[in-house]
Amino acid sequence: AQSVTQPDIHITVSEGASLELRCNYSYGATPYLFWYVQSPGQGLQLLLKYFSGDTLVQGIKGFEAEFKRSQSSFNLRKPSVHWSDAAEYFCAVVNTGNQFYFGTGTSLTVIP
Amino acid sequence: DAEITQSPRHKITETGRQVTLACHQTWNHNNMFWYRQDLGHGLRLIHYSYGVQDTNKGEVSDGYSVSRSNTEDLPLTLESAASSQTSVYFCASSGPNRMDEQFFGPGTRLTVL
Repeated sequence: AQSVTQPDIHITVSEGASLELRCNYSYGATPYLFWYVQSPGQGLQLLLKYFSGDTLVQGIKGFEAEFKRSQSSFNLRKPSVHWSDAAEYFCAVVNTGNQFYFGTGTSLTVIP
Repeated sequence: DAEITQSPRHKITETGRQVTLACHQTWNHNNMFWYRQDLGHGLRLIHYSYGVQDTNKGEVSDGYSVSRSNTEDLPLTLESAASSQTSVYFCASSGPNRMDEQFFGPGTRLTVL
């Protein structure tokens, strides 16, 4: 069965510091992986996705993620966090039926 | 621009009432999905549809139903609302390929008293 684990419920970083949000997946075949961001009171917006090719994926707003098959991970990174990055972040894996399985999310707080 | 809208944005209802949440998309997507979002659970799939007249149960479908009479709309009905169905509900749509992203609506906050 497919599933996604986001081990960190909440993370606090200082503005300008680097960020890494962890995501571990369980999927029997080649995973298709996504990161979404949700600002307060809003729907979800796609940051980036991976389904093949280069394991380092670039996304919007300066985010990137690295797919590591050996570790079943797809961690999200940003070199320098901005106050506007404060939001909830969700990792997801999609099966062959186009059904998304989301992690429980990581809430990011940015300290000025 | 194409978009996906949900109505109402906020709803308060009483236990036992029937409630219908609307979802309308102008992407011309065949795939549409309903999720609920609860603290500690992330987003969980309620129902989904791959096209007109097609509906399927998701992970948490008990107490919910959907119907798909056209491409644009997938209304979600709570047959007899329960307090456990207090949640934020999101509708999404996507293209036909597994690599296609899902586009999300703004959500409906439902409170069942």
